[in-house]
Amino acid sequence: DTAVSQTPKYLVTQMGNDKSIKCEQNLGHDTMYWYKQDSKKFLKIMFSYNNKELIINETVPNRFSPKSPDKAHLNLHINSLELGDSAVYFCASRQGGAGELFFGEGSRLTVL
Amino acid sequence: KNQVEQSPQSLIILEGKNCTLQCNYTVSPFSNLRWYKQDTGRGPVSLTIMTFSENTKSNGRYTATLDADTKQSSLHITASQLSDSASYICVVSAESAGNMLTFGGGTRLMVKP
Repeated sequence: DTAVSQTPKYLVTQMGNDKSIKCEQNLGHDTMYWYKQDSKKFLKIMFSYNNKELIINETVPNRFSPKSPDKAHLNLHINSLELGDSAVYFCASRQGGAGELFFGEGSRLTVL
Repeated sequence: KNQVEQSPQSLIILEGKNCTLQCNYTVSPFSNLRWYKQDTGRGPVSLTIMTFSENTKSNGRYTATLDADTKQSSLHITASQLSDSASYICVVSAESAGNMLTFGGGTRLMVKP
C-alpha cells in the first residue's frame, strides 16, 4: 500500500547509457514531481506535471525527458548519462497547490 | 527571488537534550511552511504545516513556530532520541499560480547516545 513508489531504488550504469526511472502514486493526486538531490542533500525541482500536463520544467538538460502516461505515473528517462547525473532522484506527488508533498523513497543513480 | 535559508547546517546533540532548528525565508506571497524529516536513505516526510495565522504547532516532541512578520520559523525537538537523527528540511509555498515550493538546504541532526 505504498503511496509513492519508484523503481529502481538503485541504478549503476556507465557513461553514455540511457536509463529510466519509474514512478507511480496511488493517492489520487493530480500533480507529480521529479526532484534531484545532490551530494549536499539539496533538493532541486526538475519537473512538475499536473493531470499529465507539464507545468514546470526547470533548467534541466534536454537529455532528461519526463513522460506521464496518466496522472498516476510520471517516469523519467535520461539519455547519454554523464558523471554529473549521479544523484538521488525523488518522485513526489500532491493534490492541488497547497497539499502536502508525498515523496517516494528515492532512486540512487550512480554513473561510472 | 524566493529563498529559504536554514541554520545550522549540521548539529550534534546528546540523547535526551533539546535543540532548535531555524528557517528564514523570503518567499512572497506566503502560503504555508512545512517542516520535513528525511531519514538516511529515505524520502522526506512531512512533520508539520504552518499557515499564516498559526504561531505554534506541535507534533509529539516536535514543536514548530512561525513569525510571519520576521519571516522566520523554528523547529524545536524536545528530549531527543536516537531516531531523531535525520535531515530536517524547511519548505515554503508561495500563494501564486502553481503554488511554487522553495526548499531550504536542510539541517543534518545527529543524536548521540
